[in-house]
Amino acid sequence: GDSVTQMEGPVTLSEEACLTINCTYTATGYPSLFWYVQYPGEGLQLLLKATKADDKGSNKGFEATYRKETTSFHLEKGSVQVSDSAVYFCALTYYGGSQGNLIFGKGTKLSVKP
Amino acid sequence: GAGVSQSPSNKVTEKGKDVELRCDPISGHTALYWYRQSLGQGLEFLIYFQGNSAPDKSGLPSDRFSAERTGGSVSTLTIQRTQQEDSAVYLCASSLYPGRPYEQYFGPGTRLTVT
Repeated sequence: GDSVTQMEGPVTLSEEACLTINCTYTATGYPSLFWYVQYPGEGLQLLLKATKADDKGSNKGFEATYRKETTSFHLEKGSVQVSDSAVYFCALTYYGGSQGNLIFGKGTKLSVKP
Repeated sequence: GAGVSQSPSNKVTEKGKDVELRCDPISGHTALYWYRQSLGQGLEFLIYFQGNSAPDKSGLPSDRFSAERTGGSVSTLTIQRTQQEDSAVYLCASSLYPGRPYEQYFGPGTRLTVT
């Protein structure tokens, strides 16, 4: 079945460091890919998405490119801030069908130190 | 506008008791999803409702779990004869329409602790 694998955390960085959180997927079709973020004490919210190969999703300085050839969707940010401390989830779903439930990775906790 | 709301925010129950968790989706959203977030398992899909169609129950872990959605709006997830492994945060999400690239909006979750 379809699945998402993302790097285990926790990840601890100093402010202004570069961030990469790896995400790879296994899919039977052509899914859309997402990064969701869960800030401490808050609900899960969409960070960015890409709906087809070679698309780049971006938001709040974060970027991820849908790489079909490597089945990857790595999350990157050039300079992290303390406020980026959160748990990040990579996910996939299919559009065009009738369901659309998200399949999530296990999450990566990011802690950014001042 | 109002987001997805869930109640209660926290629930502590004794093993063997039944519990009901409630979700109020965003008004006008036709699709509603339940997920479970637990340590070691990450976020798992449980059940999906779309309008008046029969729900997709493929993610429910056992027959102790059931859910209903009344009037195409509010949904209740029921866990019968709770077990300690049911302890988790139960998340509800809604979206405008499935099969289209609409965002799923998540509620704050209900933290269930089974003692």
